[in-house]
Amino acid sequence: GQNIDQPTEMTATEGAIVQINCTYQTSGFNGLFWYQQHAGEAPTFLSYNVLDGLEEKGRFSSFLSRSKGYSYLLLKELQMKDSASYLCAVISSNTGKLIFGQGTTLQVKP
Amino acid sequence: DGGITQSPKYLFRKEGQNVTLSCEQNLNHDAMYWYRQDPGQGLRLIYYSQIVNDFQKGDIAEGYSVSREKKESFPLTVTSAQKNPTAFYLCASNRGGAYQETQYFGPGTRLLVL
Repeated sequence: GQNIDQPTEMTATEGAIVQINCTYQTSGFNGLFWYQQHAGEAPTFLSYNVLDGLEEKGRFSSFLSRSKGYSYLLLKELQMKDSASYLCAVISSNTGKLIFGQGTTLQVKP
Repeated sequence: DGGITQSPKYLFRKEGQNVTLSCEQNLNHDAMYWYRQDPGQGLRLIYYSQIVNDFQKGDIAEGYSVSREKKESFPLTVTSAQKNPTAFYLCASNRGGAYQETQYFGPGTRLLVL
């Protein structure tokens, strides 16, 4: 079967660091995406990992371990505007489709 | 500006009524997708199209229909056979094919049943 797991909710403090984990089991793997989605809006692209290791982009970094079926999104220097849902999605190499986790709702508090 | 547009932003459906959600893109993308998002759940694929005049069912196609007569347009019809249509509907596009790239999403249409 195909399964992507993320925590449902997380809370963090402004200025802090938070790590959002994602584990996956899919039929084939051809890359993993992280998206940010504010309430009632479209998801926007944050990062793409296809090889093991860490990809850094400003305050956001994403890590992938294909052998462990594991990824995380790291958000540094949290700002209030980072309060949103964060979606983990995997491309199945067997089907070519993008499979989404249920999303993690992050609340940043002052 | 290049992008994806969806209309309307909100749509109300009466019992037994078919409604059509619009999706247009001017990114020259070959592939287009329709997703449904329910509270606390991830995006679920309804239909997708890799090229004009061709489309495939996704994971939850029952009660929905699509057409792809033009590259720019991929409308979704929610038929009366869809018994629980209340959801947030997202359209997306990308180059498709061998390109492993992100999908670009439209702003979404929220469908409510009266």
